[in-house]
Amino acid sequence: DTGVSQNPRHKITKRGQNVTFRCDPISEHNRLYWYRQTLGQGPEFLTYFQNEAQLEKSRLLSDRFSAERPKGSFSTLEIQRTEQGDSAMYLCASSPSGQGEPLHFGNGTRLTVT
Amino acid sequence: SQKIEQNSEALNIQEGKTATLTCNYTNYSPAYLQWYRQDPGRGPVFLLLIRENEKEKRKERLKVTFDTTLKQSLFHITASQPADSATYLCAPGGYSSASKIIFGSGTRLSIRP
Repeated sequence: DTGVSQNPRHKITKRGQNVTFRCDPISEHNRLYWYRQTLGQGPEFLTYFQNEAQLEKSRLLSDRFSAERPKGSFSTLEIQRTEQGDSAMYLCASSPSGQGEPLHFGNGTRLTVT
Repeated sequence: SQKIEQNSEALNIQEGKTATLTCNYTNYSPAYLQWYRQDPGRGPVFLLLIRENEKEKRKERLKVTFDTTLKQSLFHITASQPADSATYLCAPGGYSSASKIIFGSGTRLSIRP
């Protein structure tokens, strides 16, 4: 178990640019989640996958956000035309499917939009 | 809509005392509730799960209770240590195995020597 890996750890970008983050889950986990977290808040749900299928996407998420999980392995989260309000920590987690399975989180990608 | 509330104020406890954190939920009937610990700059780490038919769960110095009538879970750390200082998050979960997991805002706990 090598844990959930996220890259990059930090990303600084100018407003209006596109950014892409990558998440490599624990290999035997078929469920993968993306969350966003700002200072003093809990993780905010963005979307999640069961294998390669995207099961749900937050209604709070604008069309500038898109996530993929080709072949049910790693996942990418892309933010187009970044805004300063997108500055946050983006967390990825994986778990086996099944009720109550605990999430295993990566250490996140911190995005700063200038 | 579903709402999860945790103590918004930081909790400061003297070392050796019991810390008690609260998680309240509304418009929700979770089948279970998970608790996580998060250190600054790191992702959350799973601690304990309690199911709706369980009143209490223990793991070493940790104890969790789940009261479906009050719609509340309490998280206790006994004999607290400075190393227990962190933010603690609760996450109620639904009956369906496909239900997403949503988190409360977390409570920051500080244990002073």
